[in-house]
Amino acid sequence: DAGVTQSPTHLIKTRGQQVTLRCSPKSGHDTVSWYQQALGQGPQFIFQYYEEEERQRGNFPDRFSGHQFPNYSSELNVNALLLGDSALYLCASVRGGMIRNTEAFFGQGTRLTVV
Amino acid sequence: AQKVTQAQTEISVVEKEDVTLDCVYETRDTTYYLFWYKQPPSGELVFLIRRNSFDEQNEISGRYSWNFQKSTSSFNFTITASQVVDSAVYFCALSEAGSARQLTFGSGTQLTVLP
Repeated sequence: DAGVTQSPTHLIKTRGQQVTLRCSPKSGHDTVSWYQQALGQGPQFIFQYYEEEERQRGNFPDRFSGHQFPNYSSELNVNALLLGDSALYLCASVRGGMIRNTEAFFGQGTRLTVV
Repeated sequence: AQKVTQAQTEISVVEKEDVTLDCVYETRDTTYYLFWYKQPPSGELVFLIRRNSFDEQNEISGRYSWNFQKSTSSFNFTITASQVVDSAVYFCALSEAGSARQLTFGSGTQLTVLP
């Protein structure tokens, strides 16, 4: 049973460019969340998708947007990249929509470096 | 607003020693969930345990044990007879009932177990 998979694993972009990160949830999971983890810090919640809609959003600007596809996979898009966007981006999936008593499974992340 | 504090930035122990990782949380909700995750150098967050606010029963699982005390808003984690493979960053996280499993993480504790 494949866990949460993310692609690419590493990415280098230039300031001002746009980037798309991808996530396939664990089999049987229908809800995907994205987190940003700066070096030496804990992950920060970006947003969560369920039934192809954004359901919750953290304190991130509109440059951060996402999408969820019918097969539950998800994309994170970041426009107008800033140096401060350099981080590990983690995708997490859970089962059961908005049910609140299950744990999230995380992928290995995409390491984004903005130069 | 919810908040998780892990005051220990780094801990170093010698193999076979016991080690306790501290976690203090803040929330206004009466229903919430607490988690511990482990992050090895590969980057993937590995789920260790989940507790809800109504279950203060402490748990032991092999070499791991958890001490949840609502009176002090603490959810501490102990590794008994530590091993080199336990070396990782450990995160405590909180999810409030109304947040559809949006996780708020602490800043993490880097545990190094020396041979």
